Amino acid sequence: EIVMTQSPATLSVSPGERATLSCRASQSVSSSLAWYQQRPGQTPRLLIYGASIRATGVPARFSCSGSGTEFTLTISSLQSEDFAVYYCQQFHDWPRTFGQGTKVEIK
Amino acid sequence: EVQLVESGGGVVQPGGSLRLSCSASGFTFSRYGMHWVRQAPGKGLEYVSAIVENGGTTFYADSVKGRFTISRDNSRDTLYLQMSSLTTEDTAVYYCVKILTAGGPSIYESWGQGTLVTVSS
Repeated sequence: EIVMTQSPATLSVSPGERATLSCRASQSVSSSLAWYQQRPGQTPRLLIYGASIRATGVPARFSCSGSGTEFTLTISSLQSEDFAVYYCQQFHDWPRTFGQGTKVEIK
Repeated sequence: EVQLVESGGGVVQPGGSLRLSCSASGFTFSRYGMHWVRQAPGKGLEYVSAIVENGGTTFYADSVKGRFTISRDNSRDTLYLQMSSLTTEDTAVYYCVKILTAGGPSIYESWGQGTLVTVSS
């Protein structure tokens, strides 16, 4: 199976600052990658898919780059509602797999 | 509006069985592949199983293969997960998930609220 590795495990950022989250695949997933946000006590929410397409209603401050094995999720200016856990997920091959998550916390 | 409502969770002893259901509404259920994703307490997300639109093909994570069976009843707009030989490692919130586009890839657009399965003696 394709192993997805996210880094860092925890990211401490001040409101208004930029956050950069990484996701690495153990083998190429092409652009078959999605990002999800999970706020405390809530269900996951689709943010970005196809490596760079924002889901409906997702603010433009969320962007993603990369393909193959290396991906980056960038939040350009953190808002209070962005403090959450973020997961990457590959849908290139079965079984589908998630990264272990990156928690973005208030610095 | 898409709604996914899971039911059937509860406490079960190791080695026991449980069947989860997910009632879907707000979209044409029979056109979409459906998945189960779980999350152990305080842990990350884990893909469990998937089923194509007509139920003819199913997929499983290695951790549940041979123990779990996914199925669907398109006449009832309902997704199922039959779980057997449960272990404490299966303790988690189980989410029913709809993919983004009909016949498309496993992009998880809509999530149910989840149902908690606790395996404990």
